[in-house]
Amino acid sequence: SYVLTQPPSVSVAPGKTARITCGGNNIENKGVHWYHQKPGQAPVVVMYYDNDRPSGIPERFSGSNSGNTATLTISRVEAGDEADYYCQVWDSSSDHVVFGAGTKLTVL
Amino acid sequence: QVQLVESGGGVVQPGRSLRLSCVTSGFTFSSYGMHWVRQAPGKGLEWVAVIWFDGRIQYYADSVKGRFTISRDNSKNTLYLQMNSLRAEDTAVYYCARDGITFGGVNYFDYWGQGTLVTLSS
Repeated sequence: SYVLTQPPSVSVAPGKTARITCGGNNIENKGVHWYHQKPGQAPVVVMYYDNDRPSGIPERFSGSNSGNTATLTISRVEAGDEADYYCQVWDSSSDHVVFGAGTKLTVL
Repeated sequence: QVQLVESGGGVVQPGRSLRLSCVTSGFTFSSYGMHWVRQAPGKGLEWVAVIWFDGRIQYYADSVKGRFTISRDNSKNTLYLQMNSLRAEDTAVYYCARDGITFGGVNYFDYWGQGTLVTLSS
């Protein structure tokens, strides 16, 4: 089955840029979606189909997908960006939705 | 506004059954695929199942296939998850989520409910 690999944690100082990666075999051939989840809350989509930003998500959030790695980039990080971030794809070969294990973003 | 409200969770013994419901409002329910996603305490997200907008197609995670059944009643704007032969590892918050694109396969989840907690305990 398809596997998505995320780093367990990423730390960044306020005002700097955070990059959260999501690795998968030829992931560039799949649409990658990203969610953030704060404690006690439901997940919220922050990026879909690699680099489409839902309404209400700041322009500081951007996405890319190339080769075996998709990346969610958060510029000018704020304290409110601290959350768990998950990547997700649809694996048509198995008819399964796949989530990465999640990355905890810590704002120092 | 779009709302998804889950119910039906609780404490249940291993081997027993439970049915979750997700009542929706604020959108044309019959136009969207719907999903169940769960999250064990302190763990990541795990997709459980999807049902097509018209109910014709369902897919399941390997961990629940043969034990769980996803269904929907478009006349009641309601999604269901029938869970049989429950195991300790099914303990989780169960979220219903809307697929982000109408009439089309599996994409991303644009709206989520607040979740309902299912706890397996003998």
